Amino acid sequence: EVQLVESGGGLVQPGRSLRLSCAASGFTFDDYAMHWVRQAPGQGLEWVSGITWDSGRKAYADSVKGRFTISRDNAKNSLYLQMNSLRAEDTALYYCARDLEQLLTYFFAFWGQGTLVTVSS
Amino acid sequence: QSVLTQPPSASGTPGQRVTISCSGGSSNIGSNTVNWYQRLPGTAPKLLIYTNNQRPSGVPDRFSGSKSGTSASLAIRGLQSEDEADYYCAAWDDSLNVVLFGGGTKVTVL
Repeated sequence: EVQLVESGGGLVQPGRSLRLSCAASGFTFDDYAMHWVRQAPGQGLEWVSGITWDSGRKAYADSVKGRFTISRDNAKNSLYLQMNSLRAEDTALYYCARDLEQLLTYFFAFWGQGTLVTVSS
Repeated sequence: QSVLTQPPSASGTPGQRVTISCSGGSSNIGSNTVNWYQRLPGTAPKLLIYTNNQRPSGVPDRFSGSKSGTSASLAIRGLQSEDEADYYCAAWDDSLNVVLFGGGTKVTVL
């Protein structure tokens, strides 16, 4: 069974940093691209970032470009999102999601339960 | 406000057919395929329909998708209480170079 478990969320002040993690199991992690998708309170879903199976390509939404960095450790079956210079508008539930294949197809085949990030002073 | 427009809510009685629309433009739905996601209360989202009308393994055939021009639809045939959920459409946008989601439609079984 595919499982994606996010962690690392919490309350953080504007301008500070936070690192999210996603632990994957139930599939061959390095066979798939991975993504982060978020949902702000009362809002719809927003794709944040994606990374190919070999970290050869990383993509970001304009809203986070230059502030967020996606990475993965295939030996640890883990996905990460380093979030710097956080803003109030980054407050959201952050989901880890698995793609359909090794490259970025933006088909989110499986999702985790999410980890909540709240940016507030 | 989402570029892909969905009605905020839809409802039906058990056994009825419910349809959810997703309206976009020429740079997204008009030129790319549409996926649909279901999020049951308190659970992770799930891929429900991909490439306009394909169902992943395990998704009941009561769920079907279609696309015409710059709009897409998700139909739920024989509505059941366990279908109460939020439903989101998604499509790649060639102009924005990003995948877009609709605002979501909450389906209620009366």
